[in-house]
Amino acid sequence: AQSVAQPEDQVNVAEGNPLTVKCTYSVSGNPYLFWYVQYPNRGLQFLLKYITGDNLVKGSYGFEAEFNKSQTSFHLKKPSALVSDSALYFCAVLPGGYQKVTFGTGTKLQVIP
Amino acid sequence: EAGVAQSPRYKIIEKRQSVAFWCNPISGHATLYWYQQILGQGPKLLIQFQNNGVVDDSQLPKDRFSAERLKGVDSTLKIQPAKLEDSAVYLCASSLGTSGSFQETQYFGPGTRLLVL
Repeated sequence: AQSVAQPEDQVNVAEGNPLTVKCTYSVSGNPYLFWYVQYPNRGLQFLLKYITGDNLVKGSYGFEAEFNKSQTSFHLKKPSALVSDSALYFCAVLPGGYQKVTFGTGTKLQVIP
Repeated sequence: EAGVAQSPRYKIIEKRQSVAFWCNPISGHATLYWYQQILGQGPKLLIQFQNNGVVDDSQLPKDRFSAERLKGVDSTLKIQPAKLEDSAVYLCASSLGTSGSFQETQYFGPGTRLLVL
């Protein structure tokens, strides 16, 4: 069975500094990986996904993520954090072929002015 | 393009009562999902429809939860009778799903926040 781990419940970063939100996964075969963001009282919004190809994926709002197969990781990154990036971030995995998608428990990102 | 619509946004009921949630997916999206998101946890898939057929309902508590998508567009999720542990946000999502490719991006609605007292 597949699983996703987001080891940090909360990440604090100063505005303007680079940010990283960590995600590791466990799945058989080649995974499809996703990042979603959730603002208070709103549904999840898609940020980016890795299906195949280049390990560095660029997404919405200046975010990017790097797929690392050997470390089974898919960390979310942004070169310069904004206060408006403060939200809850979810990593999700979908094994190759059909199985249900599995979400991590989420990481709260707090960008400090 | 209009997004995924859900109603109601909030619902408070007493345990053992019944409740229904409604979802209207993005126009043209064949696949529709219902998720349960308990506070502090990631969303958990309850049921997935491809058009009006059920693809996966393995995590749906079928003794009390039911869902339908009769015309392959709108969907309703019902809980009867509700329990305290059903308090959660119920998210609806949709994706194109026309080719059966399940790596397609899901678009989420704002959710329905349910509180069972």
